[in-house]
Amino acid sequence: QVQLVESGGGVVQPGRSLRLSCAASGFKFNSYAMHWVRQAPGKALEWVAVIWFNGSNVDYGDSVKGRFTISRDNSKNTLFLQMNSLRAEDTAVYYCARDGFGGSGSYYFTHWGQGTLVTVSS
Amino acid sequence: SYELTQTLSASVALGQTATVTCGGDNIGSKKVHWYQQKPGQAPVMVIYRDTNRPSGIPERFSGSNSGNTATLTISRAQAGDEADYYCQVWDVKTVVFGGGTKLTVL
Repeated sequence: QVQLVESGGGVVQPGRSLRLSCAASGFKFNSYAMHWVRQAPGKALEWVAVIWFNGSNVDYGDSVKGRFTISRDNSKNTLFLQMNSLRAEDTAVYYCARDGFGGSGSYYFTHWGQGTLVTVSS
Repeated sequence: SYELTQTLSASVALGQTATVTCGGDNIGSKKVHWYQQKPGQAPVMVIYRDTNRPSGIPERFSGSNSGNTATLTISRAQAGDEADYYCQVWDVKTVVFGGGTKLTVL
């Protein structure tokens, strides 16, 4: 079955960087677009970024554009999120999620990881 | 930017039918997806592309979308349906989520 396991979260000071990983298994990773979605404590879900199946296209939510970078290693079935210039408002649980459709994606989320908590605080 | 509006909370008596709505400008022209999230857990998709149920989701869950409102309907509500429900669409290269509705089963 599909499994997505995030790692790399933790406590980081404002302005610093953090890199999240998501290990995927149980499906053909290199056939699906992948996303990061976050949820601040007590708040709604917020889409962060998408990367197409072959890495040829990426898109970002407005609140992270220019600071975060999504990437993938299809040889290792792993998704990444490089987060730079972190702010207190980036504090959230970060989920990786598989797109519902192969290729360039359909931008809905059929499978989710359990999430990794990022806390930005001095 | 596109916005989705959900009521903060809703309640339903055990065994009755719950309705969760999601408002947006001409949302009927978009594909709407719904997620259930229980406390401390990751979201689970319960409806995709307006009306489709993923495998493993009970037939009690159904969706509709027309005009300015999309609706998630849960028939014969059970205690285990108590959760937050989020609607979601894709609009102009970005994903938009509603603010979520907390459903209480009485």
